[in-house]
Amino acid sequence: KAGVTQTPRYLIKTRGQQVTLSCSPISGHRSVSWYQQTPGQGLQFLFEYFSETQRNKGNFPGRFSGRQFSNSRSEMNVSTLELGDSALYLCASQRRLDAYNEQFFGPGTRLTVL
Amino acid sequence: AQSVSQHNHHVILSEAASLELGCNYSYGGTVNLFWYVQYPGQHLQLLLKYFSGDPLVKGIKGFEAEFIKSKFSFNLRKPSVQWSDTAEYFCAVALDYGGSQGNLIFGKGTKLSVKP
Repeated sequence: KAGVTQTPRYLIKTRGQQVTLSCSPISGHRSVSWYQQTPGQGLQFLFEYFSETQRNKGNFPGRFSGRQFSNSRSEMNVSTLELGDSALYLCASQRRLDAYNEQFFGPGTRLTVL
Repeated sequence: AQSVSQHNHHVILSEAASLELGCNYSYGGTVNLFWYVQYPGQHLQLLLKYFSGDPLVKGIKGFEAEFIKSKFSFNLRKPSVQWSDTAEYFCAVALDYGGSQGNLIFGKGTKLSVKP
């Protein structure tokens, strides 16, 4: 069974630009979460989607947004990029929302903002 | 706000040494607990998880963890490490909202270097 896939794997942008990252969950998984990983802050939760609805959101500015499609694939968008947005963006999927689920992580998209 | 603390930033051990990585969380309610590992160049993988029941849980590759509710701790252990255990280890907590699971809250991670 294929794991969580993320595209692109690497991305270089300049300040002020916007970027869209994509995540395909494991087949049958309906929940997708996004995390930002940086050396200073570690892994921080961005948002979670289930059945095309944002269920939970972390403490990030409105420049960070996301969506989920009917096939459970998800995208996240960052507008007006800042240098501090350079990070590894991880996507995780889980089958259900009940309390006995584990999240499976993708390889991440490494975003560098120059 | 809820938080997860991992006490050691970097641990260096020789092969065959025993390992214990500390993890404490701050939340008084029901939690689900996880340890993830990130090997160099690879994605996060689940080592073990605790949802309920026996507080001593066994995971992959000989790892185990013990949930001590009174201490809000979930320490990771391995009796004898190998060079291949060199990786970064993350403790994570998900709040249990009466049957619905919240997002993962991660500790800052502990880098483990095992000398051959």
